[in-house]
Amino acid sequence: GAGVSQSPSNKVTEKGKDVELRCDPISGHTALYWYRQSLGQGLEFLIYFQGNSAPDKSGLPSDRFSAERTGGSVSTLTIQRTQQEDSAVYLCASSFDRNQPQHFGDGTRLSIL
Amino acid sequence: AQSVSQHNHHVILSEAASLELGCNYSYGGTVNLFWYVQYPGQHLQLLLKYFSGDPLVKGIKGFEAEFIKSKFSFNLRKPSVQWSDTAEYFCAVNARNNNDMRFGAGTRLTVKP
Repeated sequence: GAGVSQSPSNKVTEKGKDVELRCDPISGHTALYWYRQSLGQGLEFLIYFQGNSAPDKSGLPSDRFSAERTGGSVSTLTIQRTQQEDSAVYLCASSFDRNQPQHFGDGTRLSIL
Repeated sequence: AQSVSQHNHHVILSEAASLELGCNYSYGGTVNLFWYVQYPGQHLQLLLKYFSGDPLVKGIKGFEAEFIKSKFSFNLRKPSVQWSDTAEYFCAVNARNNNDMRFGAGTRLTVKP
């Protein structure tokens, strides 16, 4: 496909469970971002990958959050021992490089019961 | 770190009315500026961007924005809105010396037919 693909589109899980969110960026885009959008708030930066460089993890809210990007393409955001405050829409975006406009996926709506 | 303020949370207009959505940012360095739009049920799309040059930027669907450096502002305008402009509008700032993109909280625009 031509756009950024995220899966699943919706995820409902119980508090304490681990979740994995997937992002498949646009082919050729070296930059990949994860954001989350909580109700009534703007997008919150989580993590940034640029090519094979070490990721910028400065936005991760706690050590329960981690992400990897295999082969410079697909990325997985993992949240361990989920809490109710993790409920949000998690958005992935990719771009040719960090100074180019980002293309967003449709997001994963995560609900923690 | 940079931050972005969108002062209007919800704007309601009638068709053909003129639109101006405010965006102010705080950052002393060089920035790239963006307006994104999220139509109901869709992912974020780029409306327009400013990197350098003419501070009056034309975007898609008749939107424009003006970068006023002295006011740290990048307000979005449209002379005559349509019902199809009903959406959430996000202003975003990318400081050129760091990786992340900061978004405002968004402004919900409702255009009454």
